[in-house]
Amino acid sequence: EPEVTQTPSHQVTQMGQEVILRCVPISNHLYFYWYRQILGQKVEFLVSFYNNEISEKSEIFDDQFSVERPDGSNFTLKIRSTKLEDSAMYFCASNRNTGVLSYNSPLHFGNGTRLTVT
Amino acid sequence: GNSVTQMEGPVTLSEEAFLTINCTYTATGYPSLFWYVQYPGEGLQLLLKATKADDKGSNKGFEATYRKETTSFHLEKGSVQVSDSAVYFCALHNTNAGKSTFGDGTTLTVKP
Repeated sequence: EPEVTQTPSHQVTQMGQEVILRCVPISNHLYFYWYRQILGQKVEFLVSFYNNEISEKSEIFDDQFSVERPDGSNFTLKIRSTKLEDSAMYFCASNRNTGVLSYNSPLHFGNGTRLTVT
Repeated sequence: GNSVTQMEGPVTLSEEAFLTINCTYTATGYPSLFWYVQYPGEGLQLLLKATKADDKGSNKGFEATYRKETTSFHLEKGSVQVSDSAVYFCALHNTNAGKSTFGDGTTLTVKP
């Protein structure tokens, strides 16, 4: 079964540094997402992406964050200047989400990247 | 706005015990409802889903019924196993963008 893959599995960075988290969504999926899960806390929506542009973003997704689909397969999340509170698991997800029954389509998640900001 | 409220955890059960994890929601329109499971060290996986009122989702012995009248989607399993130990998330989405709203998660530990 096709999977969403994320790299790296663990990233350690110093405060103020830029990080890029990478994701390869399932190939025939059209919507892409980033979610964040701070240790022991809930899964929080960051951003959704469709047709090469952001379709929705949360309050968490401020100017420090950006997303890009640089080619036909990768989907990246960039944090320009990391803060201690950015330490979390970052999950990429995708779904087909087309047609009349688009809301039925579940999200397919990657295994996440654990970001540690020191 | 949309919200999902889950039964607080952690939940600890003995093997073969009956499991219920409560989930209620508020949403506009007619959302689809999902349960995701997160095993230790892994990402979230879809466990089951229901897309309209009175639908029952089921998978791996787990069941949940979409109850519009009580805005609930409680997860049940008749006989849990040690391998069911994980964090369970109730979620909904009802927009064309498919953004999902998640509950806080309930940690289940099953002891032999």
